[in-house]
Amino acid sequence: DIQMTQSPSTLTASVGDRVTITCRASQSINNWLAWYQQKPGKAPKLLIYKVSSLESGVPSRFSGSESGTEFTLTISSLQPDDFATYYCQQYNSFPWMFGQGTKVEIK
Amino acid sequence: QVQLQESGPGLVKPSETLSLTCTVSGGSVTSGDHYWSWIWQPPGKGLEWVGSFFGDGSGRTYYSPSLKSRVTISADASKNQFSLKVTSVTASDTAVYYCARHVYGHGLDSWGQGTLVTVSS
Repeated sequence: DIQMTQSPSTLTASVGDRVTITCRASQSINNWLAWYQQKPGKAPKLLIYKVSSLESGVPSRFSGSESGTEFTLTISSLQPDDFATYYCQQYNSFPWMFGQGTKVEIK
Repeated sequence: QVQLQESGPGLVKPSETLSLTCTVSGGSVTSGDHYWSWIWQPPGKGLEWVGSFFGDGSGRTYYSPSLKSRVTISADASKNQFSLKVTSVTASDTAVYYCARHVYGHGLDSWGQGTLVTVSS
C-alpha cells in the first residue's frame, strides 16, 4: 500500500503569508494526487487534482507542484477564509490514502 | 450539479451492523467513469477512505484493507443510491461518514454533508 506522509501537522500563519504544505508518497503515484480543504463541521472540498490542476471556482492563490514523490500545496497569500485543515490524497492505486492533515491556524 | 446525501441511523449498538445510504441527484451511480465512495472521519481525527465502487456496471469494488472483512458497498441503480454496511461495530467505528463521487482522474469532487454515527449501548 502507498503511504502518504503530510507535514507539518499544524501551521500558524498570518493573513498575507505564503504558506506551503508538503505530502510525501512512499512510492510513485504517477501524479494522481489531490488536495482538499476542510472547515470544522463541513465536508472536505476539492482544491487541486492531478498535482496542479485547479478545481473550478478555487482561487488562483492555491497552487500545487511536485518533485518526484514529494508534493506541495502553496497558498500564495493567506486569506481569512483559508484557515482550515488541508489533506492530500493519492488515487493512483487502491487503497486510496489521505495524508494526516495540516491545520492552518491564525497567528 | 451532482448532489449526494447520506442517510441512516445516528446510533448503533456495539456488535450490530451499521447501514448507511447515499442518495445521488444530478448524476447517475451507473456513470462509467465515476467511483462512488465512502470516507469516514472519527471525531477530531483525519479522513480515512473506506471503499469505492466503479459505476460501469462491472461490480468492481475496492475496500480499505483495515476494514475489508467488515465492509460491504453496494448500489441500487433503480433508486440511484449506494450503500455502506459495516458489521460487528465497536466504539472505534464512531465517526462522521461521508459519501463522495470521484470522477476518473479528477479526485473526489462532490461530497455529501456527512452523517455522524455513534456506536454505543
